[in-house]
Amino acid sequence: GESVGLHLPTLSVQEGDNSIINCAYSNSASDYFIWYKQESGKGPQFIIDIRSNMDKRQGQRVTVLLNKTVKHLSLQIAATQPGDSAVYFCAENSKTSYDKVIFGPGTSLSVIP
Amino acid sequence: DGGITQSPKYLFRKEGQNVTLSCEQNLNHDAMYWYRQDPGQGLRLIYYSQIVNDFQKGDIAEGYSVSREKKESFPLTVTSAQKNPTAFYLCASSPGTGGSPLHFGNGTRLTVT
Repeated sequence: GESVGLHLPTLSVQEGDNSIINCAYSNSASDYFIWYKQESGKGPQFIIDIRSNMDKRQGQRVTVLLNKTVKHLSLQIAATQPGDSAVYFCAENSKTSYDKVIFGPGTSLSVIP
Repeated sequence: DGGITQSPKYLFRKEGQNVTLSCEQNLNHDAMYWYRQDPGQGLRLIYYSQIVNDFQKGDIAEGYSVSREKKESFPLTVTSAQKNPTAFYLCASSPGTGGSPLHFGNGTRLTVT
């Protein structure tokens, strides 16, 4: 069935390095993708999104890349800081079911000072 | 300051009791959602509502009930029929037009003993 999954459940990076979090999706009808950050004990926060008519989108220190050929999504965080330590979720939406957002299982990012 | 308020943050109940979790938003969003999150897992959709006085079951609706009498409010009742109710419950909202990120509250952690 439809699913969104992550390749790595945990990721540890040195402060100042770049982080890359990956996500695979299986629904070829998905046309809107979102990355969320969830800190311990809090709700997920929107980081960045991308629509299927784009391959790349940049925000402040974050970049999302979309490869529709292999159904792959990634989040790149530049110059990772201790405050980036959190669980990151990718999520997807499709035109046929905009009322449902499918979340991946999440990747825990740990930044080593 | 717009946002979603969930209350209480922590809730303890005895097995066999129904409990209602509150969710209020002042973002003027049409759509509201309830998700359940278990440790180390992603978010699973319980119920969602796209308009006042209307709601639909999500993927894990059994043992839960909701109401949407006002645009701002979407309370979730965890009934005694829910076999494993201990979890972190997240409420979210969106404009409802599709292709927009969800805005989340900070969750209610329910413990049933």
